[in-house]
Amino acid sequence: QKEVEQNSGPLSVPEGAIASLNCTYSDRVSQSFFWYRQYSGKSPELIMSIYSNGDKEDGRFTAQLNKASQYVSLLIRDSQPSDSATYLCAVILYSGYSTLTFGKGTMLLVSP
Amino acid sequence: DTAVSQTPKYLVTQMGNDKSIKCEQNLGHDTMYWYKQDSKKFLKIMFSYNNKELIINETVPNRFSPKSPDKAHLNLHINSLELGDSAVYFCASSQDLMGANEKLFFGSGTQLSVL
Repeated sequence: QKEVEQNSGPLSVPEGAIASLNCTYSDRVSQSFFWYRQYSGKSPELIMSIYSNGDKEDGRFTAQLNKASQYVSLLIRDSQPSDSATYLCAVILYSGYSTLTFGKGTMLLVSP
Repeated sequence: DTAVSQTPKYLVTQMGNDKSIKCEQNLGHDTMYWYKQDSKKFLKIMFSYNNKELIINETVPNRFSPKSPDKAHLNLHINSLELGDSAVYFCASSQDLMGANEKLFFGSGTQLSVL
């Protein structure tokens, strides 16, 4: 079965530290990868997308993709308490049609 | 002006009842979805419509029936509600079928509680 896997956490980091969130996926042909942030009681919001191997930086966020290892990660530099949320890894998987398939999410807690 | 809006936000009902959730998007998108998020936060696709045509129908009990009267609306009707249907249901839309550069826009969710 094609899946997206994440450690559910919680991942606890102190304010100002780097938070590292990881995700693996099972479908070798996947080409599109996303990170969504979901605050408690809110809907998911897209924060990063990545399509090519390597790093992609956007402000304090860096997405990293390694297609050979089927691994995608999100680094959050200078973590803030406002970054405390569940981070959902999402991958477009193909099984007759394309679907955006989510991992179970990693809860991040940033302590002041 | 909300891009993807769904109503109601909260729905509390008894087992065995029938209920509907409505969704509308004003983004001009061609594709709409229903996702279910369970108590463990697992977000799973249920249905997808493209230009009012059903594209994706995941393994969902046939008590769940989506209806798309036009491409801006996708409603979800649930018959004979069961305890296990309790979850947050998210409507979402994208410009076209999910491809490399597509972005998914979510509604604010409907928290369904079946008692």
